[in-house]
Amino acid sequence: EDQVTQSPEALRLQEGESSSLNCSYTVSGLRGLFWYRQDPGKGPEFLFTLYSAGEEKEKERLKATLTKKESFLHITAPKPEDSATYLCAVRGFQKLVFGTGTRLLVSP
Amino acid sequence: EAGVAQSPRYKIIEKRQSVAFWCNPISGHATLYWYQQILGQGPKLLIQFQNNGVVDDSQLPKDRFSAERLKGVDSTLKIQPAKLEDSAVYLCASSFLDMRTGELFFGEGSRLTVL
Repeated sequence: EDQVTQSPEALRLQEGESSSLNCSYTVSGLRGLFWYRQDPGKGPEFLFTLYSAGEEKEKERLKATLTKKESFLHITAPKPEDSATYLCAVRGFQKLVFGTGTRLLVSP
Repeated sequence: EAGVAQSPRYKIIEKRQSVAFWCNPISGHATLYWYQQILGQGPKLLIQFQNNGVVDDSQLPKDRFSAERLKGVDSTLKIQPAKLEDSAVYLCASSFLDMRTGELFFGEGSRLTVL
């Protein structure tokens, strides 16, 4: 069964304090790893798709990387508006499986 | 471009009552998904439609949950009778194709509280 584990569950950063979120996965035949952002009371919002080990994607202060067993979401010099829950999901031969997310709080 | 519309946003019912949620996907999106998100957890797929047909409903509790997608556009998810453990946010999402890019567009969700 495809599985996704995200760590840490919660992370508190000061504005400008860079860090990384981890997504470990086991999947039969990876067809894509996806990162989403979810604000309170909202649906998830798509950020990135990664297909193969070594691939990287960037968007503003976020950079996602992928290895054969895990993905990292690097946040450089975060701002309070980056506070949200970040969800990782994988797609193997079957359905998209989400992790439980990392709740990020960035304090000014 | 209009996003995925869902209603109602909030619903409170007693256990054993019934409830229905409605979803209108982004125009032109052939694939529609219903996810259940329990507080503190990631979304769990309940059912996936491709146009009118069901692609995956393996995690849908069919004894109490049902869903339909009329004319390949709007969709309704029904729960009857509801249980306490059905308290969750029900998210509808759509995608242009079979999600090969992984880009699903989600609605804001319908929050259900079962008392």
